[in-house]
Amino acid sequence: DAKTTQPTSMDCAEGRAANLPCNHSTISGNEYVYWYRQIHSQGPQYIIHGLKNNETNEMASLIITEDRKSSTLILPHATLRDTAVYYCRITSGNTPLVFGKGTRLSVIA
Amino acid sequence: EAGVVQSPRYKIIEKKQPVAFWCNPISGHNTLYWYLQNLGQGPELLIRYENEEAVDDSQLPKDRFSAERLKGVDSTLKIQPAELGDSAVYLCASSLDQGYTQYFGPGTRLTVL
Repeated sequence: DAKTTQPTSMDCAEGRAANLPCNHSTISGNEYVYWYRQIHSQGPQYIIHGLKNNETNEMASLIITEDRKSSTLILPHATLRDTAVYYCRITSGNTPLVFGKGTRLSVIA
Repeated sequence: EAGVVQSPRYKIIEKKQPVAFWCNPISGHNTLYWYLQNLGQGPELLIRYENEEAVDDSQLPKDRFSAERLKGVDSTLKIQPAELGDSAVYLCASSLDQGYTQYFGPGTRLTVL
């Protein structure tokens, strides 16, 4: 799996958009970008994934750069319940997701 | 639809005692994963099952850890004997097949005294 780099922590004001970056400069052509989050004392929760095109669902939007070397997860209107650790992972599907330390997002009232 | 179910949610034991964790994956999911998560770290894969076959157990400490997935549905993870360093959260996840989105259970928090 390609290696990813995420900031250790970020703050976001409640109601504002939270933009979480992820660098994956060694990503291969068949590897997907997956985002999960983990709220305190819970298991990781799937958010969204994409290959080349930008994706949107009820939880978030995923913006992947044209060269696919980086991506941004966007929570359009962050709430206090979005406070969590966010993991960006790259996988081809043939190997399980490898989790690093992720980004600790704190949404502040 | 029910999610991944794990039990117990919490377990406290003394070192050298055995302990077992149980996982019921989402119905129809062929792939099952056990992860270990230490405080402040991301989950680390211990073992992956495709149906009842363990296809990736390279990270499982086989001297004290064992796992099984009888009939390709429920799975148990056992530690015998437990050591102080085994204190962690043990997460179970399942997916429709390898490479698909993984769905996680709430985990079992193990404390070894």
